[in-house]
Amino acid sequence: AQSVTQLDSHVSVSEGTPVLLRCNYSSSYSPSLFWYVQHPNKGLQLLLKYTSAATLVKGINGFEAEFKKSETSFHLTKPSAHMSDAAEYFCVVSHGNQFYFGTGTSLTVIP
Amino acid sequence: NAGVTQTPKFRVLKTGQSMTLLCAQDMNHEYMYWYRQDPGMGLRLIHYSVGEGTTAKGEVPDGYNVSRLKKQNFLLGLESAAPSQTSVYFCASSYVSGLALDNEQFFGPGTRLTVL
Repeated sequence: AQSVTQLDSHVSVSEGTPVLLRCNYSSSYSPSLFWYVQHPNKGLQLLLKYTSAATLVKGINGFEAEFKKSETSFHLTKPSAHMSDAAEYFCVVSHGNQFYFGTGTSLTVIP
Repeated sequence: NAGVTQTPKFRVLKTGQSMTLLCAQDMNHEYMYWYRQDPGMGLRLIHYSVGEGTTAKGEVPDGYNVSRLKKQNFLLGLESAAPSQTSVYFCASSYVSGLALDNEQFFGPGTRLTVL
C-alpha cells in the first residue's frame, strides 16, 4: 500500500531564510515521488519528481528534494525563501498510474 | 497546447439539483482523474479512467458518476447535489510511459462548487 505523510500542516519562514517541508512515504514498491505547489485559487503545478534516477532532485524555482530510502523521506528544501513561495505544497507518491496525496503543507513567508 | 481545461470555473447549486463538470485535455493522455479538495484533507480521488470508454471508482465515489466517451474528455456528474459536495474539483491527466515510474499528472485550474 502507498501513503504519504506530510509532517507539518503549516510552516512559516522569514524571507531569505531556508525552507524545509517534510514528507514521509510508505510504499510496497519502488516509488515515484512528486512535489506539487498550489498557489491560492490556482491548480497544482509540478515542482519536481523522483523516478529512481539521482536521489537529489532539482526542481523549478530553486527547490530541491532528496530521496532517502532508509528514512522513507522525500523532504523539500529551498536555500532562501521568496515571498512568491507562499503557497500550499503537496507531496505525492505513485505507483503506475495511481497517485496518493499528502494533506498538504501551507507555507507562509514573512517579509 | 491548452493542457487540461475545466468547465465551469464556478457554480452554485441548490440541494437536489444536478450538474456536469467537463474536463478536456489536448495532450493525448490515456489516464484521466477527478479529485475533490477540501480544507485539511488534500486531494481525494473520486473516479478515474484508464482509457476511452473505461471508468473506475476512487476513494470517494459516492454521489458522483463519470463518463469517458472520448479520449480527450472526462465528465463528472452530480445527479442530486448535497451540501457535502461543496468543494473544489480538480481534473488531471497523465500519460502512459514504458517506464511506469516516470508518469506525472497534469492538472486543470479547478471548479469551485457550492451547494446550498
